Amino acid sequence: ETGVTQTPRHLVMGMTNKKSLKCEQHLGHNAMYWYKQSAKKPLELMFVYNFKEQTENNSVPSRFSPECPNSSHLFLHLHTLQPEDSALYLCASSQDRTNYNEQFFGPGTRLTVL
Amino acid sequence: GENVEQHPSTLSVQEGDSAVIKCTYSDSASNYFPWYKQELGKRPQLIIDIRSNVGEKKDQRIAVTLNKTAKHFSLHITETQPEDSAVYFCAAPTGNQFYFGTGTSLTVIP
Repeated sequence: ETGVTQTPRHLVMGMTNKKSLKCEQHLGHNAMYWYKQSAKKPLELMFVYNFKEQTENNSVPSRFSPECPNSSHLFLHLHTLQPEDSALYLCASSQDRTNYNEQFFGPGTRLTVL
Repeated sequence: GENVEQHPSTLSVQEGDSAVIKCTYSDSASNYFPWYKQELGKRPQLIIDIRSNVGEKKDQRIAVTLNKTAKHFSLHITETQPEDSAVYFCAAPTGNQFYFGTGTSLTVIP
């Protein structure tokens, strides 16, 4: 399964650290997404990029900063996170932003904030 | 925004029995309803989807039914097998948003 890759797979960081999550898709898609998956909660859509332009920011705190340099790469920059930010962060891509497109997910980054 | 509710949160069935998971949604404008399966430690993957112009869609042992009037859709798995054990998520995208249900943890007991 190499369509959507994410690095690192696991990350432990302190509240004062700065780190970045990386996502790369090899499917030729034009839309990319960041989701947060916490225990016993629905998948929460954080950010949407379509043709490198951010189209959605679902009231995500500014300590999460996305970056999309091209249609194949997506980053999530993390700064001064809180313990409640610990979760699985999933990247996904789809052909474009319309809701009829299947979303292809990456394996996720398991983030622990100490 | 859309409100997607999914039931049950956990479900255990004997191998060979059927499993049914139900989702309700609130936005009548929703017209596409996918189901994703997430095995333990793995990524969610689309297993079946339905559009609002049909009431039922079947793919081998899995089927999805849609009742637009009542605003609910269901996933049906027949002749369950141990490899069906996973968390299943429904979704009801609307507008620019992709709203997921809270997930159903299905365990198939051999």
